[in-house]
Amino acid sequence: AQSVSQHNHHVILSEAASLELGCNYSYGGTVNLFWYVQYPGQHLQLLLKYFSGDPLVKGIKGFEAEFIKSKFSFNLRKPSVQWSDTAEYFCAAISYNTDKLIFGTGTRLQVFP
Amino acid sequence: SQTIHQWPATLVQPVGSPLSLECTVEGTSNPNLYWYRQAAGRGLQLLFYSVGIGQISSEVPQNLSASRPQDRQFILSSKKLLLSDSGFYLCAWISQVDVNEQFFGPGTRLTVL
Repeated sequence: AQSVSQHNHHVILSEAASLELGCNYSYGGTVNLFWYVQYPGQHLQLLLKYFSGDPLVKGIKGFEAEFIKSKFSFNLRKPSVQWSDTAEYFCAAISYNTDKLIFGTGTRLQVFP
Repeated sequence: SQTIHQWPATLVQPVGSPLSLECTVEGTSNPNLYWYRQAAGRGLQLLFYSVGIGQISSEVPQNLSASRPQDRQFILSSKKLLLSDSGFYLCAWISQVDVNEQFFGPGTRLTVL
């Protein structure tokens, strides 16, 4: 069955610390991968996406993610977090074989000044 | 431009009452439409998706149903609400031509008492 896993449920960091959030997917065939962010009280926003080409993708607000096909992973990274990065982060995948966009359970990030 | 409307924005319903949540999209035709539920600790759970009028795929067997009476309208319903139906319901559409083109609605907060 298709699934997306996020193993970090709650991450607490100090400002300027580096961030890496894990995401693994289980899909057959070609997949598109996404990271979304949801700030408190706001709508879901797309951070970045991967569909082909360079496995290292850069998104908004200094975030990047690396697609590693052999590990079925798409981890999100940021070298130096800010207090304003406090939010919930979701990894998602959609396959060309189906039309299902499936999300992981999300990671709550708290950044303290 | 493309937009998604969801109503109502918030809803408080007693257990056993019926439910109807509506999602309409503008600025696109023949989109793939999705209903998600966001509950604490469970991320965004895919409930239903539709690739066309009258075509509904159910992901999670439960107390809810979905219908797509028109190309740009997606309705989530229940005949009798349960306490466990409480949550945040999100509608989304994804272009059938480009899966990277996706939009999320503002959501409906449902509280079942």
